[in-house]
Amino acid sequence: GQNIDQPTEMTATEGAIVQINCTYQTSGFNGLFWYQQHAGEAPTFLSYNVLDGLEEKGRFSSFLSRSKGYSYLLLKELQMKDSASYLCAVVDSNYQLIWGAGTKLIIKP
Amino acid sequence: ETGVTQTPRHLVMGMTNKKSLKCEQHLGHNAMYWYKQSAKKPLELMFVYNFKEQTENNSVPSRFSPECPNSSHLFLHLHTLQPEDSALYLCASSQESSTPYEQYFGPGTRLTVT
Repeated sequence: GQNIDQPTEMTATEGAIVQINCTYQTSGFNGLFWYQQHAGEAPTFLSYNVLDGLEEKGRFSSFLSRSKGYSYLLLKELQMKDSASYLCAVVDSNYQLIWGAGTKLIIKP
Repeated sequence: ETGVTQTPRHLVMGMTNKKSLKCEQHLGHNAMYWYKQSAKKPLELMFVYNFKEQTENNSVPSRFSPECPNSSHLFLHLHTLQPEDSALYLCASSQESSTPYEQYFGPGTRLTVT
């Protein structure tokens, strides 16, 4: 079967750095997405990785290792507004998105 | 504003009611999706339309019936639902469904079945 694993919940302090991990086992791989979803709102696109390595976009970076079936989202200089759920999703061989259950990130002052 | 709108935002319905959810995208996309989101569970893909043709139906019960009259509009018709169907129903769109384009989501309809 296809499976995406990410921690259910994480807590971090304002101004700090947090890494949210995602491991996957899918039939084929055509890229990995990270989305942010604030409570009661729509998911919004953060990043897309299809090649190994680190992609940096401001305070957010996303890393991919295809050989390990592993990705992480790195958030720097955390702000209170970063409190949200972070969803990992993998594009399988049929170009279907397989979603993780999401990681709820709680930022404390 | 994501360019994808959904109505209604909240819906309470009895198990014998018939209702419809509406989604509209203003992004010029060719693919539209219905997802079900339940607490602490992964997003469940329900239906995919690509260039108005249904390309995916992930074993969804027949009490959910999609309709895509054109590339900008998507409906989900509901009838004789069960309490376990209570969830957030999200609509999304993308350039097309056969390549990994990012999806743009609507705000969702919070459905409660009593």
